[in-house]
Amino acid sequence: DTEVTQTPKHLVMGMTNKKSLKCEQHMGHRAMYWYKQKAKKPPELMFVYSYEKLSINESVPSRFSPECPNSSLLNLHLHALQPEDSALYLCASSQDRTGDPTQYFGPGTRLLVL
Amino acid sequence: AQSVTQLGSHVSVSEGALVLLRCNYSSSVPPYLFWYVQYPNQGLQLLLKYTSAATLVKGINGFEAEFKKSETSFHLTKPSAHMSDAAEYFCAVRPLGDTDKLIFGTGTRLQVFP
Repeated sequence: DTEVTQTPKHLVMGMTNKKSLKCEQHMGHRAMYWYKQKAKKPPELMFVYSYEKLSINESVPSRFSPECPNSSLLNLHLHALQPEDSALYLCASSQDRTGDPTQYFGPGTRLLVL
Repeated sequence: AQSVTQLGSHVSVSEGALVLLRCNYSSSVPPYLFWYVQYPNQGLQLLLKYTSAATLVKGINGFEAEFKKSETSFHLTKPSAHMSDAAEYFCAVRPLGDTDKLIFGTGTRLQVFP
């Protein structure tokens, strides 16, 4: 099973709202990723967690706050977003930093910021 | 820095025709290479990957790709296109020694005409 699940599927929020995106995998993977994808563009890496510790933050604005409560879960907390943050947010996971490098992606959360 | 080039942002073929999507990478050391497919409003699905084993890699849905070190290429092919193959295709590279980042090409949109 190579499934990564994401909730919600769609999210509409105002610029003053606080919301969270959730990602889950049960493949025993120890590396998890958040990507942002704008229309007709490839995914852009935002954050990487390795063994529940943040290992990469690609200079993402502080209005995006990741959290990795355990090895199966990854959250992305959103606060005071801007309309330009509207995008598809993808979660991915891979075995770990030294094993199989293949990243498996979830279906994404389509975010609209009004 | 490592880069990935996908020649042709749009490729159109007739149903039953050969599909050829091009991908070239820049690296003196062969990296890990991946092809992902993205259907509308969905996440990325792994088609196939090269991780230094056989140079001809077979993937899902009848796709295959050949790693050619001399040409630094990893082109994706399918002998006979189906209407259901219409999607966005991304080539991605994970450089050896870089344990976290996938570098994506800009993507190729495949259209299949009846």
